[in-house]
Amino acid sequence: SQTIHQWPATLVQPVGSPLSLECTVEGTSNPNLYWYRQAAGRGLQLLFYSVGIGQISSEVPQNLSASRPQDRQFILSSKKLLLSDSGFYLCAWSPGAATNEKLFFGSGTQLSVL
Amino acid sequence: GDSVTQMEGPVTLSEEAFLTINCTYTATGYPSLFWYVQYPGEGLQLLLKATKADDKGSNKGFEATYRKETTSFHLEKGSVQVSDSAVYFCALKAAGNKLTFGGGTRVLVKP
Repeated sequence: SQTIHQWPATLVQPVGSPLSLECTVEGTSNPNLYWYRQAAGRGLQLLFYSVGIGQISSEVPQNLSASRPQDRQFILSSKKLLLSDSGFYLCAWSPGAATNEKLFFGSGTQLSVL
Repeated sequence: GDSVTQMEGPVTLSEEAFLTINCTYTATGYPSLFWYVQYPGEGLQLLLKATKADDKGSNKGFEATYRKETTSFHLEKGSVQVSDSAVYFCALKAAGNKLTFGGGTRVLVKP
């Protein structure tokens, strides 16, 4: 069966420090991968999605970047965190077929930038 | 652009009460509609979905009907349990595999 792992679960970082959140998927190949963010009191916002290795689409301009060095690995990064980067980050995957509508989420990372 | 609006929480209920969470949407074309649920300490998981007008999605006693005329997809359950305490997200998908989510509604069911 397919599983998605996301870590760490919680993270407290000072302003200006770098960030690296990692997400891996097991039990499937060539998944579509996503990073979402939920800021306090707001809905889930799609940040990045990827349909293959090295292929990253950014949905909103921001202080973050994403990379997909391997088929089932998706990394969210920042060189210098801002206070506004605080939020709940969710990694997700879906089968590679374009018509499939199921999206599977990781357990999330609560990021606090102080 | 696409958007989803759902009622703000928290919604506090007693066991066996009737639950309704309102959700309305704005989208181009004919979106698919979803409800996701996030139980404490867990990731989101798909609860139910509907892909065309008048479809009814159902799962675990929850139901939602795709109402194109009112652009709504309200979630209902006739008799809630403590284990239904969670955050519920309404979402749509109008193009590609990108979901647009509402803000989430926290539901707390008391014994």
